[in-house]
This record gives sequence, structure tokens and C-alpha cells, in this order.
Amino acid sequence: AQSVTQLDSQVPVFEEAPVELRCNYSSSVSVYLFWYVQYPNQGLQLLLKYLSGSTLVESINGFEAEFNKSQTSFHLRKPSVHISDTAEYFCAVSVGTYKYIFGTGTRLKVLA
Amino acid sequence: DTAVSQTPKYLVTQMGNDKSIKCEQNLGHDTMYWYKQDSKKFLKIMFSYNNKELIINETVPNRFSPKSPDKAHLNLHINSLELGDSAVYFCASSPPTSGMSTQYFGPGTRLTVL
Repeated sequence: AQSVTQLDSQVPVFEEAPVELRCNYSSSVSVYLFWYVQYPNQGLQLLLKYLSGSTLVESINGFEAEFNKSQTSFHLRKPSVHISDTAEYFCAVSVGTYKYIFGTGTRLKVLA
Repeated sequence: DTAVSQTPKYLVTQMGNDKSIKCEQNLGHDTMYWYKQDSKKFLKIMFSYNNKELIINETVPNRFSPKSPDKAHLNLHINSLELGDSAVYFCASSPPTSGMSTQYFGPGTRLTVL
């Protein structure tokens, strides 16, 4: 069965430092992978997704994620974080046509 | 214009009561979903609907009954509320999917059962 593991429940990092949020998935079929961000008291918003093609995908606000099939990973990175990046980040995988499985989330806290 | 809206935003009620949460999307999407997010932020799919038809029911107790009067609306009715139902409920929608589509989430409804 497909699953998503986010090993880090919380990641504190200082402003302007780099960050990596880890995501591993298990699937026996081709996968589509997503990262969503949830700011406090809001719904989730798509950050980026991998469907096919280039294994490196980027978002408009400086995040990037790399699909690694051999390691079954889709880690999210940003070279320099801002206070405004403080949020909960969820990795997700689609399972068939109408179902998505989410990881347990990683709380990124950016410190001044 | 709000893409996916939910009402109410907050809902506080007693055990045993029946309550409803409404969801509307103005994106023209065919597929809508209900998710439950517990106190530890774990997000779990409850239902998926496509063109008003139930596609996925993730072993949700039958006290939960979704209803889709049209493609733009997916409401959630909960009977005989229990303490464990306390959570944030998110509605979402997506275009025809094949698993590749972006989901658009509503702002959530925080349900507290006392």
C-alpha cells in the first residue's frame, strides 16, 4: 500500500539559513508527488508537484524538490528561508485517480 | 473571489447533536473531497466525489453523510457527534484528476465537540 513518511515533525532554522524537509514514499506504481504548505489557520496550498520529466521541480517562492526514484524520496529544500516561510509543510502522493495520501506534516519554524 | 469556501468556520456543539458543514467551490471542478485534520495535524481523506457521485469512502463511520446537490457543492452532515469528531474539516476540489491534479482547499471548519 502506498504511504508517505515525513520523519521530521518540527524543523527550527534561523532566517537566511538553508533548510531541507524530508519526505519518503512507498509505492509499487508510478507516482505523482506533491508538497503543500499550510499557514496558520488556513487551508493547504500547493507549493510544487512532480508528475514526470525533470526530477527537479521548483516553486515560485524559492523552494525546490527533487524526485529520487531509487531512494523513493521527494525532499523539499530552500537555500535561504524567511520568517514568512514559517508554516506546516505536507508531502502527498496520489493513489489512483481520486485519492491522495498525506504525510504527517513538518512544522518549519524560522527564527530571527 | 473565494475559490473554495466553507461554512461555518467554527462549530462548537455538544455530544450527541447533529451538525452540518457546507462547502462550495466556484472553480468549475468536477471532483470534491472532505478531509479530517486531527489535533496532531494529521490529514486524512474521508470522501471523494466526482460529478456528484461518491467515489471514495475511507471507512468513515456512517454517522458522516456527505451530500452533493450539484457539482459546486459538497456538504457534510454528522449525526450523533462524539468527542473524537473534534477536528478541523477541510473541503477541497480539483479538476479532472488522474491523480495529477492540484487540490484547492477551503479554509477549514474547526469542530469542537464538548
